[in-house]
Amino acid sequence: AQSVTQLGSHVSVSEGALVLLRCNYSSSVPPYLFWYVQYPNQGLQLLLKYTSAATLVKGINGFEAEFKKSETSFHLTKPSAHMSDAAEYFCAVIPKSGNTPLVFGKGTRLSVIA
Amino acid sequence: EAGVTQFPSHSVIEKGQTVTLRCDPISGHDNLYWYRRVMGKEIKFLLHFVKESKQDESGMPNNRFLAERTGGTYSTLKVQPAELEDSGVYFCASSQVAAYNTEAFFGQGTRLTVV
Repeated sequence: AQSVTQLGSHVSVSEGALVLLRCNYSSSVPPYLFWYVQYPNQGLQLLLKYTSAATLVKGINGFEAEFKKSETSFHLTKPSAHMSDAAEYFCAVIPKSGNTPLVFGKGTRLSVIA
Repeated sequence: EAGVTQFPSHSVIEKGQTVTLRCDPISGHDNLYWYRRVMGKEIKFLLHFVKESKQDESGMPNNRFLAERTGGTYSTLKVQPAELEDSGVYFCASSQVAAYNTEAFFGQGTRLTVV
């Protein structure tokens, strides 16, 4: 079965520092890949998704993610963290083989320190 | 345009009681999904409606959970009787088209605590 691993349940960065949130998937066939963000007291919001076009995907709020097939990874980055980026981030996949639901990782909570 | 809304936002009930969660999808979205996140674990799929029909209910944990979608509009998820392990955050999502690989819009979730 498809699975997603997010390394680090909690990541803390200083304001202005690089944000790197890691996501690895388990599949021999690259799936559709997603990053969602949940701000406090809000629902999940789609940040970006990879659907087999460009391997570097740009999302909202300055985030981007790079699909690396050789590493089965889809890490999320942002060059300079802002206080408003503090939230929980979820990596998710959908296999290309058919209609199946989103499979989520456990989530990574990002803290931004002033 | 209103997003996906869920009621209540929080619910605390005793073991053995019944709780009903409600989800109002985005208007015009035929597809409605329920997910659940137990504390510290992944968000997991429960079931998928297309209009009023259950397309996939493979994630429903047991027969204490009953989901309905009256007239293809709002949906309810009833837990009867509730057990301690049912505690978690229940998310609802909706999307316009049938395929899973389209953007699904999520509600803010209902936090259910069973004591």
